[in-house]
Amino acid sequence: SQQGEEDPQALSIQEGENATMNCSYKTSINNLQWYRQNSGRGLVHLILIRSNEREKHSGRLRVTLDTSKKSSSLLITASRAADTASYFCATAYQGAQKLVFGQGTRLTINP
Amino acid sequence: DTGVSQDPRHKITKRGQNVTFRCDPISEHNRLYWYRQTLGQGPEFLTYFQNEAQLEKSRLLSDRFSAERPKGSFSTLEIQRTEQGDSAMYLCASSLVGRTNTEAFFGQGTRLTVV
Repeated sequence: SQQGEEDPQALSIQEGENATMNCSYKTSINNLQWYRQNSGRGLVHLILIRSNEREKHSGRLRVTLDTSKKSSSLLITASRAADTASYFCATAYQGAQKLVFGQGTRLTINP
Repeated sequence: DTGVSQDPRHKITKRGQNVTFRCDPISEHNRLYWYRQTLGQGPEFLTYFQNEAQLEKSRLLSDRFSAERPKGSFSTLEIQRTEQGDSAMYLCASSLVGRTNTEAFFGQGTRLTVV
């Protein structure tokens, strides 16, 4: 079973707008990772945030983590057509050695 | 660093046949994972290795599935007597596990179609 849930399941915005995706999880974690997947391809690692961190940036990406609410968000600023993909959060929860993925958010950037 | 490599990229097989997939992890990585992904879903954990030891297997991994990682380098995933329900993308990932949290890097996957 998948621990995380992403919200929304699908998001369609205009190029240049910001896109925000949310992830909720159920148990205590060591870290949370975000991945991107283009249609039919492998997953590309975007960013890792540790349980003792609250915010992290990488280029146009901003990730926040709220362990009290067991949630994370991924913000993509100034979106581009190339950002069209599915985005997954994956949790490394305490006491386990594997990543558990949510069902993903399908992001479409319209030119 | 050539990344995680999977072979083949695509496999079409008849129901009842056996198939084997190969994964070559990033060379210095000591942990290797196998995941399965069906259309519209997130990846589901199958199994993982720490060096050559297989330390956890999901309940999704039926008796028809077997994975090996001889010498702690590349890994193979074999599916015996394939069924149509086995059709999916099979993803391999590797990571370097030590004192700190590390990222898991994925290969491009092997897409299996059972006809």
